[in-house]
Amino acid sequence: DAGVTQSPTHLIKTRGQQVTLRCSPKSGHDTVSWYQQALGQGPQFIFQYYEEEERQRGNFPDRFSGHQFPNYSSELNVNALLLGDSALYLCASSLVSGGLSYEQYFGPGTRLTVT
Amino acid sequence: RKEVEQDPGPFNVPEGATVAFNCTYSNSASQSFFWYRQDCRKEPKLLMSVYSSGNEDGRFTAQLNRASQYISLLIRDSKLSDSATYLCVVNRAAGNKLTFGGGTRVLVKP
Repeated sequence: DAGVTQSPTHLIKTRGQQVTLRCSPKSGHDTVSWYQQALGQGPQFIFQYYEEEERQRGNFPDRFSGHQFPNYSSELNVNALLLGDSALYLCASSLVSGGLSYEQYFGPGTRLTVT
Repeated sequence: RKEVEQDPGPFNVPEGATVAFNCTYSNSASQSFFWYRQDCRKEPKLLMSVYSSGNEDGRFTAQLNRASQYISLLIRDSKLSDSATYLCVVNRAAGNKLTFGGGTRVLVKP
């Protein structure tokens, strides 16, 4: 049973560039959430996708956008990169059933470095 | 005030000893509570959910105190492999957004 997968593993970008990160959820899961984790801090919620729509959003600017595909996989896009966007980006998948949400499982993350 | 607060530690624990630490949350509407474990430069992994009646999983015991709005984690008979950062996680009633604490670092030493 494949767990949550993310690509790429590492990425180095220059300020002002754009980046796309990808996530495939655990088999049987239909909801994908994205988190940003800066060094030494806990993960911060960016947004969540369910049924191909953004359902919730954290305190992140519009430079952060996403998408969910019919197969439940998801992308995170960040435009106009800033040095402060350097972080570990984590994708978590879960199952929402009958209005109840269950535990979230994380992928290995994408480590983004902006220079 | 942060929504979920933890003592960052580190808690230096002799192998075989017991260690316990708490996490406080500010939103009384919080519904679900979890402890995740995160090893250095790895993803968080679910350690255990925390239930109102308290629950135990092997050497790990979690407690929830809704009146005082805190959860706790106790590790008995600590192993070297228990060295990690333990993240307290809270899920509000509305939606499925996890709010993480900053983590408590535990170092188990021989």
